Amino acid sequence: RKEVEQDPGPFNVPEGATVAFNCTYSNSASQSFFWYRQDCRKEPKLLMSVYSSGNEDGRFTAQLNRASQYISLLIRDSKLSDSATYLCVVNAGYSTLTFGKGTMLLVSP
Amino acid sequence: SAVISQKPSRDICQRGTSLTIQCQVDSQVTMMFWYRQQPGQSLTLIATANQGSEATYESGFVIDKFPISRPNLTFSTLTVSNMSPEDSSIYLCSVGLAGGLQETQYFGPGTRLLVL
Repeated sequence: RKEVEQDPGPFNVPEGATVAFNCTYSNSASQSFFWYRQDCRKEPKLLMSVYSSGNEDGRFTAQLNRASQYISLLIRDSKLSDSATYLCVVNAGYSTLTFGKGTMLLVSP
Repeated sequence: SAVISQKPSRDICQRGTSLTIQCQVDSQVTMMFWYRQQPGQSLTLIATANQGSEATYESGFVIDKFPISRPNLTFSTLTVSNMSPEDSSIYLCSVGLAGGLQETQYFGPGTRLLVL
């Protein structure tokens, strides 16, 4: 079983739509969780951390379910500029991160 | 966050040669890392660059192939030695910093390597 699994997509949505991505992780000892965004031919950039209580940053909402070992990202009112690959990232300790393969999002006019 | 630069940004190399990639940070950081991202794949950690001691390599990566230097808290180099076409990839350095309430990593722009 892969350590961090994501649906690769692509998710094709129109502008203004709401879209959700899920991610599962295998290491129950994982301590911290993140969503990164990677644009084509660019480096990954931190989108948001994911906290146990759930957290929101503008149009983006992240949730963590430790019992089921999954993380979600909800994007409301999608913009064309949201088109990117979204990477689910897990830290199991010692500052090392494990990356999922990413979910591609395409927002169309 | 931090400003991270990498040189070169891209290169095309002949097999059997070696390439050294530099990573420079605008502030002192304890943790620096080197990753590889092959086409269509996610990021794979090569090693943790330790200041003042040998790098810590992940399974499948060895010092002879990927020697790393970390002379101070703002700089590191990764060398890809005796290159083959399978080494064609994007190589990224990252630094560990606080990201909200949790420590996470911020990435340099990457070095795109093509080995012929």
